[in-house]
Amino acid sequence: EVQLVESGGGLVQPGRSLRLSCAASGFTFGDYAMSWVRQAPGKGLEWVGFIRSKAFGGTTEFAASVKGRFTISRDDSKSIAYLQMNSLTAEDAGVYSCNRVGYASGRYYFFDHWGQGTLVTVSS
Amino acid sequence: EIVLTQSPATLSLSPGERAILSCRASQSISNFLAWYQQKPGQTPRLLMYDASKRATGIPARFSGSGSGTDFTLTISSLEPEDFAVYYCQQRTNWPADFTFGPGTKVDIK
Repeated sequence: EVQLVESGGGLVQPGRSLRLSCAASGFTFGDYAMSWVRQAPGKGLEWVGFIRSKAFGGTTEFAASVKGRFTISRDDSKSIAYLQMNSLTAEDAGVYSCNRVGYASGRYYFFDHWGQGTLVTVSS
Repeated sequence: EIVLTQSPATLSLSPGERAILSCRASQSISNFLAWYQQKPGQTPRLLMYDASKRATGIPARFSGSGSGTDFTLTISSLEPEDFAVYYCQQRTNWPADFTFGPGTKVDIK
C-alpha cells in the first residue's frame, strides 16, 4: 500500500523558513516524480512544485508564486522528499500535502496518491 | 497559461440522483485531465485520469468524458459518501505548471 506521510508543519513567523518532509513507502520511491500541493483555509488547491525522478534528471519546477523562495529535494535512499520554504508570508499558510505524480498515456500529469497533509501557519 | 473553469460552483442534489459536473479548459488539453474528490478534513483522492479512466478502487458510478476543452464528470446515482468537493486538474509542459479548477461542491439538497 502506498503511503505518504508529511511532517514539519507548524507556526512560523513571517520572513522565516520551514522545511517539510514527506516519507514514502509502499512503492519504489526513486522511480517517481514527487510533488507538493497546498490549500489555504477554505480555499482551493494550488500546485507548489515538483521534483522529477533521477532518471529524468531530478530537476525541479515551481509555481510562479513560490519560485525563488521554495526548493524541493529528495533522498531516494531514505524515500523522503523535502520542501524547503524560505521568506514565508501569510499567503503561504495552509495545508501542504505531498503527492506522487502519476503517469499515463505518455505523460506525467496527475497526482495518484496524496499524503494527509501538514498545516503551516504563518503569523507573528 | 491554461485556465480551468468548473460549473456549477455548487450542486444541490439528493441521494440517488445523477450529478453532472463540468470542467472547461481555456485551450485544448487533449484528454489529459484528472478529477479529484475531496471530503472535509481530508486531502483529495484521484478519481479519474485521461478524462475517462477510473483510478484504482473508484466505483463504476463515477464516469468521465470529454476531450479538447470540455469535460464532464458524472456520478450516476449519488451515495451519501459522494457529497464532497470535486476538482479537475491538468498540466502544462512549458512552462511546467499543474493547474486545478476552482471546484464544484456537491451538497445534500
